[in-house]
Amino acid sequence: KAGVTQTPRYLIKTRGQQVTLSCSPISGHRSVSWYQQTPGQGLQFLFEYFSETQRNKGNFPGRFSGRQFSNSRSEMNVSTLELGDSALYLCASSSGQGNEQFFGPGTRLTVL
Amino acid sequence: AQSVTQPDIHITVSEGASLELRCNYSYGATPYLFWYVQSPGQGLQLLLKYFSGDTLVQGIKGFEAEFKRSQSSFNLRKPSVHWSDAAEYFCAVGVVPTDKLIFGTGTRLQVFP
Repeated sequence: KAGVTQTPRYLIKTRGQQVTLSCSPISGHRSVSWYQQTPGQGLQFLFEYFSETQRNKGNFPGRFSGRQFSNSRSEMNVSTLELGDSALYLCASSSGQGNEQFFGPGTRLTVL
Repeated sequence: AQSVTQPDIHITVSEGASLELRCNYSYGATPYLFWYVQSPGQGLQLLLKYFSGDTLVQGIKGFEAEFKRSQSSFNLRKPSVHWSDAAEYFCAVGVVPTDKLIFGTGTRLQVFP
């Protein structure tokens, strides 16, 4: 079974731009979660989608948004990028309901 | 409030020595607990999980963890560390019935030959 894939792996953007990150979960998994990892704040939960519905959201500004498609693939979007948005963005998938999550390799976003 | 504390930011051990990484959690109900490992530039790999039942759980790569409700702890152990175990280790609690994970700040393990 293929693992969780994330594209792109690396991104460089400038302040004020927007960015879209993509995540393809493990086949059969209906839940996708997103996390932001930075040296200062550690791993922080962004949001979780289950069957195309946002089930949970972390404490991030409205510039961070996401969605899930009918094939369970998910995208997250960050608008009006700030320097502090530079981070490793990790996606995880599971079958749902608190089961173990499998993480992708992440997308490294650098904002200049 | 739900939280996870990993008191040790950095641990250094010699290859072949035993290892214990500490994790304390705060959660209102019976927790779902996880240990993940992250190598540089990589995503997170699940080492082991506790949902219920036997409080001593076995994981991959020779790791085990013990759930102690009275101490709100879920410490990770390995009897003999290998150089390839050098990585960052994260303890997490699951917020059921969702898939949200709350992570600790991580413990960086360095292994000397």
